[in-house]
Amino acid sequence: DVKVTQSSRYLVKRTGEKVFLECVQDMDHENMFWYRQDPGLGLRLIYFSYDVKMKEKGDIPEGYSVSREKKERFSLILESASTNQTSMYLCASSFRGEVWAGKFYEQYFGPGTRLTVT
Amino acid sequence: DAKTTQPNSMESNEEEPVHLPCNHSTISGTDYIHWYRQLPSQGPEYVIHGLTSNVNNRMASLAIAEDRKSSTLILHRATLRDAAVYYCILLTQGGSEKLVFGKGMKLTVNP
Repeated sequence: DVKVTQSSRYLVKRTGEKVFLECVQDMDHENMFWYRQDPGLGLRLIYFSYDVKMKEKGDIPEGYSVSREKKERFSLILESASTNQTSMYLCASSFRGEVWAGKFYEQYFGPGTRLTVT
Repeated sequence: DAKTTQPNSMESNEEEPVHLPCNHSTISGTDYIHWYRQLPSQGPEYVIHGLTSNVNNRMASLAIAEDRKSSTLILHRATLRDAAVYYCILLTQGGSEKLVFGKGMKLTVNP
């Protein structure tokens, strides 16, 4: 079974703190993703990495950075947490598709981290 | 980019078939139709995808209209475990692998 694990299920941090959310996958996937999910707004992509040390901004990258030093690990960093970053954060991974041929691989999601910034 | 529209919610009864519709009237010839679902308190999971022909797997069937402007996800015998938010998403050949989730459709399964 594919496993995507996230470091914490619940996290409470204070405004201004630096926050690290860790995601690890065990399937040798090239692609890794960070999303946030908010009521009424659905899931939105924050950052995407298609290889080690490679990253691409998603739809809402402001206030976030990422790190991918090893293939299996993708970290989301909140440099200075703010209350509007209170959310459910979901990590996902997949094999790299052959998009030129229309071949897309399914994304596997972790259980999520519910972050509260007070 | 082509978009999808789904009803906000649907109800079904346990052990009955349920048809979940998705409209994508501006779909292009290179758009693949993907379905994901999100069970309560879990991350989304892949269900099925297709291009033109109907597709079956162990979870569901996908029926694609001849003009491809709509598709239907079919759960042959709904169970309580199928209660989830279902997302219909288009991915374009030659485009990005990033999933763009809309609001999805909440399926309630009554015992």
